[in-house]
This record gives sequence, structure tokens and C-alpha cells, in this order.
Amino acid sequence: DIQMTQSPSSLSASVGDRVTITCRASQYIASYLNWYQQKPGKAPKLLIFAASSLESGVPSRFSGSGSGTDFTLTISSLQPEDFATYYCQQSYSTPQTFGQGTKVEIK
Amino acid sequence: EVQLVQSGGVVVQPGGSLRLSCAASGFTFDDFTMHWVRQAPGKGLEWVSLISWDGGRIHHADSVKGRFTISRDNSKNSLYLQMNSLRTEDTAFYYCAKGRGAYDPFDLWGRGTLVTVSS
Repeated sequence: DIQMTQSPSSLSASVGDRVTITCRASQYIASYLNWYQQKPGKAPKLLIFAASSLESGVPSRFSGSGSGTDFTLTISSLQPEDFATYYCQQSYSTPQTFGQGTKVEIK
Repeated sequence: EVQLVQSGGVVVQPGGSLRLSCAASGFTFDDFTMHWVRQAPGKGLEWVSLISWDGGRIHHADSVKGRFTISRDNSKNSLYLQMNSLRTEDTAFYYCAKGRGAYDPFDLWGRGTLVTVSS
């Protein structure tokens, strides 16, 4: 199975900050990397697919980059509604594994 | 409205069985691969199972293989997860999710069903 490792596991940031979350795959996954946002008590929401493609309706302050084994999710200017947990997921091979999550909290 | 509607939560004893349902509407159900994903309370996401549009391709996570079976009825726009030999570690929110295209991101999710396995 492909292991997905996110860092950091949690971070504290202020509104307006630039936030970067990284995700590393244990083996090559090309661009088969997706990012999700989850708020407490809610289902996850797709933000980025194919490593860098912004899902329809998602604000442009979210962006993704990377290929191969190393990937990044960036929030250019953190907004109050962005405080949540973020997960990466590889869809290169089955089982489609998720990272352990990064919780973004208010500083 | 484009949505996935899941059945309500339930408590079941260890060793018991349960079938989860997920009803799709607002899109052409039989065009898409469907998935089940679970999340133990306070924990991360775990992919459970997938089924292709026609049921010809099915995969289960090792943690549920031989106990859980995914299926679909395209005539009813419905996805199912038959869960047998349930264990306490199967306690989780179970989400159905729709895949899309070659990269198969999960672009539509149900609200989740809490399955509690407890005596």
C-alpha cells in the first residue's frame, strides 16, 4: 500500500496568513493526488484534484502543486472559514490512501 | 439537486451484520465509480471499498476484506455496503462518495452514517 504522510499534523495561524501543507507519498503517484477540507461534523469537501486543478466553486486562494512523491497545498490568505482539517489522498492505486490530516487552528 | 442520501445511524452487536444504503440523485448514477470511506470518531479518513459503474471492478480494503461487500443497483440509483462479522474497531462514520474521471477524486459525499459496534 502507498503511505501518505502529511506535515505538519497541526498548525496555528492568523487570518490573512499564507499557509502551506505538505504531503509525501511513499512511492511514485504521478499527479494522482487530491486534497480535501473537513469541518467538524461534516463530510469532507474536494478542494484540489490531479495535484493542481482547482475544483469548481472553490476559492482561488487555494492552490496545489507537485508531482511524483511530493505535493503541497497552499492557502494564500487564510480566511475565518478555512479553519478546518485538510487531508491529501492518492488515487494512483488501490487502496486509495489518505494522509493523517492537518488541523488548521486559529492563533 | 445533486446529492447522496444515506440511511440513519445504528448500533449493532459484535459479530452482527448491517447493510448501509446510499441513494443518489441529480446525476447519471451509472456513469460513475462509487466508494465507501469511513472515519472512526476523532480519527482520520480510511478508504473502504469501490465499485465501478457496472459493478465489474470491485476492491475492498484489507481491513474489511471477506467481511464487507460493496454492491450497486443502477436501476434504483443506489449503492450498498453489506457489513458482516462486525467488530468494535468497525465503529465509525461511513460515507458514500462519488468518484469522477481518470484521477477519481471524490467530488460528492453523503452526510455519513454512524455505525456503532458495541455490546
